[in-house]
Amino acid sequence: SQQGEEDPQALSIQEGENATMNCSYKTSINNLQWYRQNSGRGLVHLILIRSNEREKHSGRLRVTLDTSKKSSSLLITASRAADTASYFCAKPNQGGKLIFGQGTELSVKP
Amino acid sequence: DTAVSQTPKYLVTQMGNDKSIKCEQNLGHDTMYWYKQDSKKFLKIMFSYNNKELIINETVPNRFSPKSPDKAHLNLHINSLELGDSAVYFCASSQGTVGNQPQHFGDGTRLSIL
Repeated sequence: SQQGEEDPQALSIQEGENATMNCSYKTSINNLQWYRQNSGRGLVHLILIRSNEREKHSGRLRVTLDTSKKSSSLLITASRAADTASYFCAKPNQGGKLIFGQGTELSVKP
Repeated sequence: DTAVSQTPKYLVTQMGNDKSIKCEQNLGHDTMYWYKQDSKKFLKIMFSYNNKELIINETVPNRFSPKSPDKAHLNLHINSLELGDSAVYFCASSQGTVGNQPQHFGDGTRLSIL
């Protein structure tokens, strides 16, 4: 079964607004990763957060991790039209395979 | 200076044909992967190689055969193509095998079976 489940499946916002995407998982993790996929392109790694970290920032991106709730969130602040993409969370299972969620499709309208 | 490059970008072929997809990475990584992404964007791992050795082999029909001539290359050959093989196939690479490093993806090969 999938280990990363994103919520919502789709999100539409206006430029300048913040976008929050959530990811839940079922078993314990040592890290959780977030990726972006622009239309027609491959996945691009955004942030890796380890199980002993609670929050991580990269530019306008903020990722939080709550291991007690088995959930993570990705916040994009002051969104731009160029942020329009699909966002995936992924976690490695015991065999080292990255298991991806179904993704959140973000649309940022200018 | 593309990090992970795969060719071709598009592949349109008839059912029953055999085709190959090539992948190369110039990141110096020791692990490479093949993923399949379906029309609903669900991404599933197919194979993984570490230093030319197969380490992950998911439940994939044996019509799919990966080959890694060296740690910078991982090719995928598909025999007797079927309609259900239509998807986007991504190559990726990382350093290490335990999933605690980011993976770098190519831009995908869009396979359409007629």
